Amino acid sequence: QVRLVQSGAEVKKPGSSVKVSCKTSGGTFSTYAISWVRQAPGQGLEWMGGIIPIFGTANYAQKFQGRVTITADESTSTAYMELSSLRSDDTAVYYCARGSNYIWDFDYWGQGTLVTVSS
Amino acid sequence: DVVMTQSPLSLPVTLGQPASISCRSSQSLVNSDGDTYLNWFQQRPGQSPRRLIYKVSNRDSGVPDRFSGSGSGTDYTLKISRVEAEDVGVYYCMQGTHWPGTFGQGTKVEIK
Repeated sequence: QVRLVQSGAEVKKPGSSVKVSCKTSGGTFSTYAISWVRQAPGQGLEWMGGIIPIFGTANYAQKFQGRVTITADESTSTAYMELSSLRSDDTAVYYCARGSNYIWDFDYWGQGTLVTVSS
Repeated sequence: DVVMTQSPLSLPVTLGQPASISCRSSQSLVNSDGDTYLNWFQQRPGQSPRRLIYKVSNRDSGVPDRFSGSGSGTDYTLKISRVEAEDVGVYYCMQGTHWPGTFGQGTKVEIK
């Protein structure tokens, strides 16, 4: 049974950074893509970037390039998403999602992590 | 980026009646490998998205057969043959053929 379990809610100040984790179980962590998708309050879904752990190199949506860093730790089957220079409009639920056959397959999702950016 | 346009954005439906959601892409979603990477996701209130349909018309495990996907080129459709109360939520199409993958705006399905 595949599970993606994310870290808990965060409250951050503008200008700071946040790091969210996504621990996976079931399946082979290294060969599946893990992406991060965010959803602002009442809004739709937006792909931020993703990584295939065995390759180690992440790819990012242009909108987030330079502000987001996605990493993976094969020893703990955990992926991380760090977003820096936080602004109020980064307030959103951040989801990790697994891609079994290609990066945007999204066949399994984490439960989501609410990040609130407020002074 | 490929723009995915869904319609309608809001869909009130009577229980037991059919529902249909359209998704149009700004470019053909047929990949050079011959596959079409168009998925449909359901997001129930307060829940994470869940994939229903992959590669246009393939239902995921556990998805009721009242859900079906069809389409080609730039036009795709998700149909619910008989809407049930548990189908309430927002439905998103998403293309994975062109970089980067992009979602439609979402269609909110509610019971009349």
